[in-house]
Amino acid sequence: AQSVTQPDIHITVSEGASLELRCNYSYGATPYLFWYVQSPGQGLQLLLKYFSGDTLVQGIKGFEAEFKRSQSSFNLRKPSVHWSDAAEYFCAVGRTNTGNQFYFGTGTSLTVIP
Amino acid sequence: DGGITQSPKYLFRKEGQNVTLSCEQNLNHDAMYWYRQDPGQGLRLIYYSQIVNDFQKGDIAEGYSVSREKKESFPLTVTSAQKNPTAFYLCASSVSSYEQYFGPGTRLTVT
Repeated sequence: AQSVTQPDIHITVSEGASLELRCNYSYGATPYLFWYVQSPGQGLQLLLKYFSGDTLVQGIKGFEAEFKRSQSSFNLRKPSVHWSDAAEYFCAVGRTNTGNQFYFGTGTSLTVIP
Repeated sequence: DGGITQSPKYLFRKEGQNVTLSCEQNLNHDAMYWYRQDPGQGLRLIYYSQIVNDFQKGDIAEGYSVSREKKESFPLTVTSAQKNPTAFYLCASSVSSYEQYFGPGTRLTVT
């Protein structure tokens, strides 16, 4: 079965510190990979995506993610966290051979302390 | 502006009543999705539709029904058969397996 794992349920970082959120997936081929962010009571906003090519992708709000095939990982990073980055972050995998389904991780909640 | 609208934002119902959640998109996307979100459980797929007049069950379809009569609309009905309907419901649309675009969500409370 395909799956997406976000091992960290909750992370707390200080404002200005660097951030890395982990994501591992289980899939036989190279999937389409996404990171989304969700503020409380809101929908999900796409931060960045990977389909092919350069394994380091840049997104909005200063985020980047690196696809590592050997580790089946797609970790999200930001060099300096702002208080406004506090939110829930979801990693997702997209596939085409099961009717365009997407699989989401359970999310990582980020708290930013001053 | 292109996007996805969900209405209402908050919905309250009595147990035993069916309730329909609205989802409309003007992105001209073929595929649309309904997810349920509960604390600590991420997003769980209820139903999805790749084209008009066709839809498939997701992982937790029991107690829910959908229709796709128009490309722009994908309403979700939460029936009285759904054992625990109180949740946050998210609608999304996409072009193939490229990124999904999400609506703002509807919080349903059943008492």
